[in-house]
Amino acid sequence: NAGVMQNPRHLVRRRGQEARLRCSPMKGHSHVYWYRQLPEEGLKFMVYLQKENIIDESGMPKERFSAEFPKEGPSILRIQQVVRGDSAAYFCASSFGRGTYEQYFGPGTRLTVT
Amino acid sequence: QKEVEQDPGPLSVPEGAIVSLNCTYSNSAFQYFMWYRQYSRKGPELLMYTYSSGNKEDGRFTAQVDKSSKYISLFIRDSQPSDSATYLCAGTGTASKLTFGTGTRLQVTL
Repeated sequence: NAGVMQNPRHLVRRRGQEARLRCSPMKGHSHVYWYRQLPEEGLKFMVYLQKENIIDESGMPKERFSAEFPKEGPSILRIQQVVRGDSAAYFCASSFGRGTYEQYFGPGTRLTVT
Repeated sequence: QKEVEQDPGPLSVPEGAIVSLNCTYSNSAFQYFMWYRQYSRKGPELLMYTYSSGNKEDGRFTAQVDKSSKYISLFIRDSQPSDSATYLCAGTGTASKLTFGTGTRLQVTL
């Protein structure tokens, strides 16, 4: 199965710790998107990346959050000094390339901040 | 006002019924529209996407877009219990970020 892979699937962090979420896109896909889903809310766009480039980070909180998609390896969403409000499901999606609109989602990482 | 509005449901229908799921949107820049299905504690699964106004059919699913009224619909024929899930509509104009509705929870009963 060459679907979008995310790990870990569940992550528990204490307030103030760092959370690192990883995403490997579908085979052949070079564009990665991160979304956050809070309970009873829809998916909210956070950031759009290509290899080694951030294309659109308009949905990313200005502090504590960062994302990268290096030349080799998975995309990483990093949350520093987590707070309880960061508890959510974080989904990664990938698409083939610019100008393609279909985004395919991974299973998500459920972050719980205690 | 949210850019994409969707009735949260739940919507309960008997097996075999035709289901109609709807969204409205406010952003005139949206050109592409998607429907995703999300089972509990799983990732969204792309069902269909359409460009601009018109209909698109795939098996038991039909997606409809009316840009003049900013209205998006998904019809499910011969609904099955396995169709029980949350259905998310989304729009985009730029091939980057998708803007989602909050989802409609569908329950198909035996």
